[in-house]
Amino acid sequence: DAKTTQPPSMDCAEGRAANLPCNHSTISGNEYVYWYRQIHSQGPQYIIHGLKNNETNEMASLIITEDRKSSTLILPHATLRDTAVYYCIVRISGGSYIPTFGRGTSLIVHP
Amino acid sequence: GAGVSQSPRYKVAKRGQDVALRCDPISGHVSLFWYQQALGQGPEFLTYFQNEAQLDKSGLPSDRFFAERPEGSVSTLKIQRTQQEDSAVYLCASRPQWTGHTEAFFGQGTRLTVV
Repeated sequence: DAKTTQPPSMDCAEGRAANLPCNHSTISGNEYVYWYRQIHSQGPQYIIHGLKNNETNEMASLIITEDRKSSTLILPHATLRDTAVYYCIVRISGGSYIPTFGRGTSLIVHP
Repeated sequence: GAGVSQSPRYKVAKRGQDVALRCDPISGHVSLFWYQQALGQGPEFLTYFQNEAQLDKSGLPSDRFFAERPEGSVSTLKIQRTQQEDSAVYLCASRPQWTGHTEAFFGQGTRLTVV
């Protein structure tokens, strides 16, 4: 699976959009981008995934650049409960998939 | 419950003691994963089951670590002769299928402290 690079930490004001970047410059054509987050003292939680089109669900939006070398997870109106570590993962399509986590981005949402 | 359940939530073991950590996956989930998470780090893969078959145990750090899932549901991670470096949160996850884009559901983890 392609390697990802994320900033170690970010902060955001409550109510504002949180934009979390992820670089995956070695991504190949059949690899998807997945995002998980881990709130303190809990296990990781799936957020969203995409291949090349932008995706949106009730939790977040995922914007993938046209060359697919980077992506941004957007939390449109961050709340204090969004404070967590966010992990960007790249994986192949199909087959057996074992989620592999890096160190992620620690997002702190402040009042 | 509807989620992945792990027990105990917290375990303190004396160095050299054996421990057993339990994972109850979501009913019917085929895939089950164990991870180890040290303080300030992301989860590190330990081992993976598809039903009762252990398909990948490449992440187990030593032969003191052993995992089983004899009936394809509940799984136990056993650590023999615990060492201080085994102190970590141990996470279990399950997934309905072994392939495709189904998400993995994680439990809250067991925090192991070896003293």
